[in-house]
Amino acid sequence: EAQVTQNPRYLITVTGKKLTVTCSQNMNHEYMSWYRQDPGLGLRQIYYSMNVEVTDKGDVPEGYKVSRKEKRNFPLILESPSPNQTSLYFCASSLDVQETQYFGPGTRLLVL
Amino acid sequence: GIQVEQSPPDLILQEGANSTLRCNFSDSVNNLQWFHQNPWGQLINLFYIPSGTKQNGRLSATTVATERYSLLYISSSQTTDSGVYFCAVRPSSSGGYQKVTFGTGTKLQVIP
Repeated sequence: EAQVTQNPRYLITVTGKKLTVTCSQNMNHEYMSWYRQDPGLGLRQIYYSMNVEVTDKGDVPEGYKVSRKEKRNFPLILESPSPNQTSLYFCASSLDVQETQYFGPGTRLLVL
Repeated sequence: GIQVEQSPPDLILQEGANSTLRCNFSDSVNNLQWFHQNPWGQLINLFYIPSGTKQNGRLSATTVATERYSLLYISSSQTTDSGVYFCAVRPSSSGGYQKVTFGTGTKLQVIP
């Protein structure tokens, strides 16, 4: 089944404890992206990747890192999480930058 | 950056009624998608529609790129249509065509 998977789906952590949210797609998509969704602010793009080893900042990249060493995986790294990074995170992928995006199920993160 | 506004922000419908949701954008785009976020938070693709008209069952969408708006039509609404509807665009400008900007969303509640 073609899909985008994210892990974990739910995470509670403490300020400053490094964490990684994984994202994987099995559709051989080139374009991958991370978003956060916050009440009243909608979905905002954090980082995106046009292909392996090609990443760039979205609208809200501060406090996040990403890597794209393989085409199928695009992990989101929070090296020192803070409470303002409490949010619902979505990973998405598309065949290329102009095609339909498919979203993962989301990861709910709470930083205490 | 590009601004994307959706209207109305909230909508309550009686089951069986029709509705039109609007997405206005401030700059030219070459990619526009409509999504439905169900009450469980899942983002579901509805249409990829940078221009023209498409239909899928009770849903249809029209994008008039030259006038910078898109419309989503829901006919014979059902309670399962409840949730939040988002449009998302990619600008045509060379400086930011890889980025995606989401609209503010329309929250729809369909009551029996």
